[in-house]
Amino acid sequence: GIQVEQSPPDLILQEGANSTLRCNFSDSVNNLQWFHQNPWGQLINLFYIPSGTKQNGRLSATTVATERYSLLYISSSQTTDSGVYFCAVQGGSEKLVFGKGMKLTVNP
Amino acid sequence: NAGVTQTPKFQVLKTGQSMTLQCAQDMNHNSMYWYRQDPGMGLRLIYYSASEGTTDKGEVPNGYNVSRLNKREFSLRLESAAPSQTSVYFCASRVRSYEQYFGPGTRLTVT
Repeated sequence: GIQVEQSPPDLILQEGANSTLRCNFSDSVNNLQWFHQNPWGQLINLFYIPSGTKQNGRLSATTVATERYSLLYISSSQTTDSGVYFCAVQGGSEKLVFGKGMKLTVNP
Repeated sequence: NAGVTQTPKFQVLKTGQSMTLQCAQDMNHNSMYWYRQDPGMGLRLIYYSASEGTTDKGEVPNGYNVSRLNKREFSLRLESAAPSQTSVYFCASRVRSYEQYFGPGTRLTVT
């Protein structure tokens, strides 16, 4: 089945710094989503982005489907950005396959 | 519009007990999913239902059963709980191949 790899696995930042999270996938995809799991465990939808670029406030995402990767950019990070970020993709099946996640800690 | 709701939020079971986790969505989505999340891991699919009346196994179906009661509701049953099923369980739903939305999760401990 389709494989999803996220990097880096962990990241520690000072408030105000920028960061880039990468998601590589092993096959063509119909669906790609980025999620943020906050410290209370809630999974929050960030982007639905099977291709192209989207922006939402300080966050933006780009998926280059032909090269099988997606990037999530966080600018001017805040402590509330802390948590785990997941990339999930859907290939030819009905199932969404998740990466193992990237833990972000933003210190004040 | 409540989105995806799950009950209960927390549950403690003894080994061998049974229970059913409930999930409902009010977004008129066709597809519904059950995942489990263990510490340090991503989400693993247990079962899914692509439409009312159909269910299929995911990555880790052993020890679980599901019922798609109607378009809104998708339940997950543990017939004989084991400590290995201690986990956080998430329900999700979506329109086929589009954005998936998650419920708040159920934290289950089996002693």
